[in-house]
Amino acid sequence: IQLTQSPSFLSASVGDRVTITCRASQDISNYLAWYQQKPGKAPKLLIYVASTLQSGVPSRFSGSGSGTEFTLTISSLQAEDFATYSCQQLNSYPYTFGQGTKLEIK
Amino acid sequence: QVQLQESGPGLVKPSETLSLTCTVSGGSISTYYWSWVRQPPGKGLEWIGYIHYSGSTNYNPSLKSRVTISVDTSKNQFSLKLSSVTAADTAVYYCARHYPFPYSGSYYDAFDIWGQGTMVTVSS
Repeated sequence: IQLTQSPSFLSASVGDRVTITCRASQDISNYLAWYQQKPGKAPKLLIYVASTLQSGVPSRFSGSGSGTEFTLTISSLQAEDFATYSCQQLNSYPYTFGQGTKLEIK
Repeated sequence: QVQLQESGPGLVKPSETLSLTCTVSGGSISTYYWSWVRQPPGKGLEWIGYIHYSGSTNYNPSLKSRVTISVDTSKNQFSLKLSSVTAADTAVYYCARHYPFPYSGSYYDAFDIWGQGTMVTVSS
């Protein structure tokens, strides 16, 4: 199952609302997770089952979608949110990831 | 608190076998599934395969002919071997835990804990 994220690069300012889209090549129900990755660090789980916030993740992060189209929204960007975000499908093996969306400071 | 730590050589010669170990601390390996994931420089994440403490495995078909993942429950470790490596195998290699999150009467996987990653370069 191929996952395509858009955009691949996103430039935004602190306080902005941003949305990242992840499209699956076939129906994956809600078997989707989102990760945040900062340079030189391991991915960090943000959201699972498409819309459930992992413990300790700020509420400005939210996820939605089912089937083939999913979104990750950050309601009000903070300085620490500038990172790369990747989606992952866990509907069937081999588990696959999107190519990543790099969120940069404008 | 469960932590994962990868270890192994940072440099491997072409055609040789890459060997890495992930040590689980703060908890038992004898629960959950455990995966290896890699990330070539500047690129996205690629799932390599998983192992269950029982020894059952599942590999990415793109790597299946070259991959072996094993577990040593007595040492709380699991390992990755990737044979016949080329420059295309140069990447940061991560180990990660599958966690079965309960949701709507069922369980849904996600990778909730990751090691810090180890860079492996394939070069002569």
